[in-house]
Amino acid sequence: EIVLTQSPGTLSLSPGERATLSCRASQSVNFNYLAWYQQKPGQAPRLLISGASSRATGIPDRFSGSGSGTDFTLTISRLEPEDFAVYFCQQYGGSPPWTFGQGTKVDIK
Amino acid sequence: EVQLVESGGTLVKPGGSLRLSCEASGFTFNTYSMNWFRQTPGKGLEWVSYISRSSSVLYHVDSVKGRFTISRDNAKNSLYLQMNSLRAEDTAVYYCARNIETAMGGADYWGRGTLVTVSS
Repeated sequence: EIVLTQSPGTLSLSPGERATLSCRASQSVNFNYLAWYQQKPGQAPRLLISGASSRATGIPDRFSGSGSGTDFTLTISRLEPEDFAVYFCQQYGGSPPWTFGQGTKVDIK
Repeated sequence: EVQLVESGGTLVKPGGSLRLSCEASGFTFNTYSMNWFRQTPGKGLEWVSYISRSSSVLYHVDSVKGRFTISRDNAKNSLYLQMNSLRAEDTAVYYCARNIETAMGGADYWGRGTLVTVSS
């Protein structure tokens, strides 16, 4: 089973600042099948990025994903008020189980 | 607009059974694989089960193997999760999600979830 470790646990930033979230895998992620999701309280997760760097439909270009192998990053170039949420990474596409990181909370400083 | 609506979550006693349903609309259901995920405050997000478009490929996470069964009815645009021998640790919000097109186990659209509570 691939274990994903996200850091930091909490990121306290102000609107307009840049957010950099990390996701590290215990072994190489097959074909870089790494997704990022955003979740707000009481809501379902929302796909932001798939395949490590492809933005999902309707996702603003301030969200970008990068990385390969075992190290991946989600960057939010300029935080908008609606971006304060919890972000999860997930590896998929290889053999199950497909696993998630524990999440990074981006909150308002 | 893609919509996924789960139902069937409730309070059930340990050892009991429950069947979750998910009604899909806004896309051609029989052209997508589907998943169930669950979420708890303690364990976070967890993939539970996967089913291919024609139901020919099924996967379940080890902790539910032999107890949960995923199925679908393409004529009814519906996904199901039969949950037997429920345990306290199965308590969670269960989400139905459409599988991403490129590979198994990722999800591009999620329902709002249904709460399953296993307690005596």
